[in-house]
Amino acid sequence: NAGVTQTPKFQVLKTGQSMTLQCAQDMNHNSMYWYRQDPGMGLRLIYYSASEGTTDKGEVPNGYNVSRLNKREFSLRLESAAPSQTSVYFCASSIRVATGSESPLHFGNGTRLTVT
Amino acid sequence: LAKTTQPISMDSYEGQEVNITCSHNNIATNDYITWYQQFPSQGPRFIIQGYKTKVTNEVASLFIPADRKSSTLSLPRVSLSDTAVYYCLVGAYTGGFKTIFGAGTRLFVKA
Repeated sequence: NAGVTQTPKFQVLKTGQSMTLQCAQDMNHNSMYWYRQDPGMGLRLIYYSASEGTTDKGEVPNGYNVSRLNKREFSLRLESAAPSQTSVYFCASSIRVATGSESPLHFGNGTRLTVT
Repeated sequence: LAKTTQPISMDSYEGQEVNITCSHNNIATNDYITWYQQFPSQGPRFIIQGYKTKVTNEVASLFIPADRKSSTLSLPRVSLSDTAVYYCLVGAYTGGFKTIFGAGTRLFVKA
């Protein structure tokens, strides 16, 4: 059982370059999320998707776009990378449970992105 | 959205019980309290979740007072491998899981 898989694990970009971070989950979860984590800090939500075909902004969406390709996959795109986007990016997923019950988040192991 | 406050860091010794308290004064009626553990170079991992009173599993216990404005994660007899960052989250499913991770509590367990 792979859980949440993120690719690539590491990436170095130059300012202005673009790239897409890939995330896939095999747990049949409804919701998927992208977080970033800066050194010594907690995780901040960039975007999330409550279901296939829907996406919503989180705390720090500027400079990013997302695509919920299907139920399994949720990608994060940086159109024009900036040094301020140097961070570790985590993808997560969760399953919607009946009212009154909440699924915990399942995280991937992150993509470490450096923008020079 | 309920914001949480936790100690920045804690030290302990192997074999001791560790209690980490989280304050969440603005918790909403339908919010759950969830704790995660994060090791270096890994994503956070779910530990325990509760709504009220006490919850216990094989890893930890979660104590929640009646007013739900705080919660305490209790780790019994910690070992070196429990050295990690622990996050307290408060949130509910609202058509999208908008939760706020604080900076967490860095627990360092010494031999």
